[in-house]
Amino acid sequence: GNSVTQMEGPVTLSEEAFLTINCTYTATGYPSLFWYVQYPGEGLQLLLKATKADDKGSNKGFEATYRKETTSFHLEKGSVQVSDSAVYFCALSNYGQNFVFGPGTRLSVLP
Amino acid sequence: NAGVTQTPKFQVLKTGQSMTLQCAQDMNHNSMYWYRQDPGMGLRLIYYSASEGTTDKGEVPNGYNVSRLNKREFSLRLESAAPSQTSVYFCASNYEDGYNEQFFGPGTRLTVL
Repeated sequence: GNSVTQMEGPVTLSEEAFLTINCTYTATGYPSLFWYVQYPGEGLQLLLKATKADDKGSNKGFEATYRKETTSFHLEKGSVQVSDSAVYFCALSNYGQNFVFGPGTRLSVLP
Repeated sequence: NAGVTQTPKFQVLKTGQSMTLQCAQDMNHNSMYWYRQDPGMGLRLIYYSASEGTTDKGEVPNGYNVSRLNKREFSLRLESAAPSQTSVYFCASNYEDGYNEQFFGPGTRLTVL
């Protein structure tokens, strides 16, 4: 079946540090891949997505590239801010099957 | 355009009480979902509805029932609440085609004493 693995954290960084959160997946066919962000006390919001191999999703300075050869979709940001402190979820969607979410990675950015 | 709305935002129940969590979306989506989120467990799918008039069990359906009242509304009912159902509940919706993201509501924080 489909599955998503991501580093669980917590990840603690200083402001302006480089961020990488690893995400790998197992799926048949050609899934779509997503990163969601959850700020304290709120629901999940879509951060970025990619629907085919080699696509790069980007938003708010975050980027992730769909790598079919390594079945990965790692999230990166060049310079994090305190306001990026949140929980980040990697997810995949395959036609006719339910969404699969990773366990989430808590990021704390210190000033 | 309100997106996905949920009521109530907070609720405290005693063991054995019943309640219904309400969810509505105004994006004309065909599919709707109920998840629960517990510390260290990520998101777990309770029930989903691929289209109006259909519902299916997810990963953790025991102790819950759902109703897809119409295309906009999808409710989750706890008939006899248990402390193990203390959680944050999220409703989501999308056009299910394998490509489209799910849109989430703000959540309902439920405590069962």
